[in-house]
Amino acid sequence: DAGVIQSPRHEVTEMGQEVTLRCKPISGHNSLFWYRQTMMRGLELLIYFNNNVPIDDSGMPEDRFSAKMPNASFSTLKIQPSEPRDSAVYFCASSLRGFSGNTIYFGEGSWLTVV
Amino acid sequence: GNSVTQMEGPVTLSEEAFLTINCTYTATGYPSLFWYVQYPGEGLQLLLKATKADDKGSNKGFEATYRKETTSFHLEKGSVQVSDSAVYFCALSRYSGGGADGLTFGKGTHLIIQP
Repeated sequence: DAGVIQSPRHEVTEMGQEVTLRCKPISGHNSLFWYRQTMMRGLELLIYFNNNVPIDDSGMPEDRFSAKMPNASFSTLKIQPSEPRDSAVYFCASSLRGFSGNTIYFGEGSWLTVV
Repeated sequence: GNSVTQMEGPVTLSEEAFLTINCTYTATGYPSLFWYVQYPGEGLQLLLKATKADDKGSNKGFEATYRKETTSFHLEKGSVQVSDSAVYFCALSRYSGGGADGLTFGKGTHLIIQP
C-alpha cells in the first residue's frame, strides 16, 4: 500500500517566488493535515481538512499561505510570495477521522529553502 | 489548551543502556497518546500508541504506559541499539465532537546511541 506521497522532496527558491507543495493522501483516508517543522518551533499544525473541507486553518501563519483540497486524493499548500523565514520541512499527513486513536500517517516531507 | 512537554535532549547513551524519555501532557477530555520516531531525512513514523488510561503501547522493544493520574506517557526501552538513534516525539490527539482533529506534538527528543 502506498503511503502519503509528497512532492517535491526538496526545493530551493528565491525570495518572492511562489512555492507549491503537493500531497496525495492514503487512499480511503478522509482527513488530511499540513504540518511545518522548524528547529525553533518544532512541529506546528498549519491546517487540516476533513472530507476535502478545511476545518481548522488557525495555524496558517499569514495570508501568504493558502491550502486547497480539490478532491479526496490531492492537496496543495502554496506560499506566495515566499520569504527566507518560510524555510522549513513541510509534512502532509492523513488519517481516518472518527476515533482519537486512529493513527496519522506522515509523508516524507518537502524540504523548502528560500534564499 | 492541550500541550505536551518532553525532555529535549540531546540524550546520549551507550549501546545496551536503559532508556527513558519523559513525556507529560495537559489535556481536556480523554486523548489518545502516541510516540512517533523520525530518522534523519525522513518523515515521522508511528512507534506506539495507547488510547485509554492504563493501556500499554509497545513496539520494537519500546514501551509506554498511559498514566492518567500523573498525566504521563514515558517511553522506555531496556537495551538500546545504535540503530535507535533518532528524534522521538510524544503527541496527543486533538479531539472535537466530530472526531480526531490531528495531533499536538512535544518538541522532540534527540537520542544518540554510541557503540
